[in-house]
Amino acid sequence: AQSVTQPDIHITVSEGASLELRCNYSYGATPYLFWYVQSPGQGLQLLLKYFSGDTLVQGIKGFEAEFKRSQSSFNLRKPSVHWSDAAEYFCAVGAGAAGNKLTFGGGTRVLVKP
Amino acid sequence: KAGVTQTPRYLIKTRGQQVTLSCSPISGHRSVSWYQQTPGQGLQFLFEYFSETQRNKGNFPGRFSGRQFSNSRSEMNVSTLELGDSALYLCASSHGTSGRVTYEQYFGPGTRLTVT
Repeated sequence: AQSVTQPDIHITVSEGASLELRCNYSYGATPYLFWYVQSPGQGLQLLLKYFSGDTLVQGIKGFEAEFKRSQSSFNLRKPSVHWSDAAEYFCAVGAGAAGNKLTFGGGTRVLVKP
Repeated sequence: KAGVTQTPRYLIKTRGQQVTLSCSPISGHRSVSWYQQTPGQGLQFLFEYFSETQRNKGNFPGRFSGRQFSNSRSEMNVSTLELGDSALYLCASSHGTSGRVTYEQYFGPGTRLTVT
C-alpha cells in the first residue's frame, strides 16, 4: 500500500523568504502526486499535480514542486512567501487501479512571520 | 463553474443519533469521494462513488455508508454516532471515467460534525 510522509509538522518562515516543504512517498510504480493547501476552516485547494513528464511542475500562487524518483520525494517550493501563504499543506498520492483514492501525508503547518 | 458544495456546513448531534451529509460535485464530474479529517488521524479516505456505484472503500466501520444519485450528487450517512466521529467531513469530486482514474480531485468546504 502507498504511504506519504511529511517530516515537518510545523515550519515558520519570514515573509519574503523562501519556503520548501518536504514530502516522501512510498509506492512501487510512478504515482500520481499532488499538493493541496488548507486554510483554517476551509476545504482543500489543489496547488499542483504531477502525473508524468517534466519533473518540475508549476502550480498556482507561485508554487512549484519537483519529483525525484531516486529519492521518492515531491518537495514543494516557493521563492518568496507572502503572509497569505500561512496555512496547512498536504502532500497526497494517488495510486492503483481501484478508483479515486488519495492517501495524504500528515500535513505541514506554515506560519509566516512579518 | 461552481465548485463542490456541501451541506450543511456545521452540525451538532448527540451520541447514538444518525446523520446524513450531502455533497454536490462540480458539474460534469461523475466521481465523488468522501474523506474524514481529524486532528489525531489526519485525512482518511472513506469511500468513492462513480456512476451510482461504490468503487472504492476505506477502512471504516459499517456505520459509515454512502450513496450516489443519477445526477452525481452524493450523500453519506453515519449511524449510531460516537464521540470519535466528530470531524470535518470532506467531499471531493473528480471528472473520472469508467476506464481511467486520474485521482485529480476538487474538494468542497467540508461539513464540521460535532458529536456530544
